[in-house]
Amino acid sequence: NAGVIQTPRHKVTGKGQEATLWCEPISGHSAVFWYRQTIVQGLEFLTYFRNQAPIDDSGMPKERFSAQMPNQSHSTLKIQSTQPQDSAVYLCASSLAQGGDTQYFGPGTRLLVL
Amino acid sequence: AQKVTQTQTSISVMEKTTVTMDCVYETQDSSYFLFWYKQTASGEIVFLIRQDSYKKENATVGHYSLNFQKPKSSIGLIITATQIEDSAVYFCAMREGRGSALGRLHFGAGTQLIVIP
Repeated sequence: NAGVIQTPRHKVTGKGQEATLWCEPISGHSAVFWYRQTIVQGLEFLTYFRNQAPIDDSGMPKERFSAQMPNQSHSTLKIQSTQPQDSAVYLCASSLAQGGDTQYFGPGTRLLVL
Repeated sequence: AQKVTQTQTSISVMEKTTVTMDCVYETQDSSYFLFWYKQTASGEIVFLIRQDSYKKENATVGHYSLNFQKPKSSIGLIITATQIEDSAVYFCAMREGRGSALGRLHFGAGTQLIVIP
């Protein structure tokens, strides 16, 4: 089975541009999570979906960040008007739907905002 | 508030020895799940082992085992017979069992393990 797929693996944008990150969860997994990793903040939760419905977006910056899950096979994280402080590795994880199920991570998208 | 603390920033050990990495957590929930992940040099985050709070027996998978001390809110990771390829950053994480924060993982800061040949 393929693991979690994230594209692109690397993205460089100019300040003020838009960035869209894609995630394809493991087949059969109905929960999808987005995290962000930086040297300073470590691994931070952003948002998650269960059965395509948004469940918790309390970790998302209030402005410029949005996430969607239009179907069970992919989720997107969109950052509008990117800023240098958005530079990070964005990680997607998926799991089965039960609360205690293990999350499996994708390889991440390294975003660099110049 | 939920919190996961790893106080060891970096540990160096000789190959084929045993190492223990510490992790303490805070939660108000009576039901929770504890995980250890490994982040390799390429950045890949790999699940290693988990402990469910209601289970008394320490989990073991291959050469990974856990030292779960519930009264101390502690979940140590033990790696026996370490190998060069165990060199990585190890993250402890907690997921609560109930409530609106059901899904998210709370991570510690990570411990870098260096295995010396």
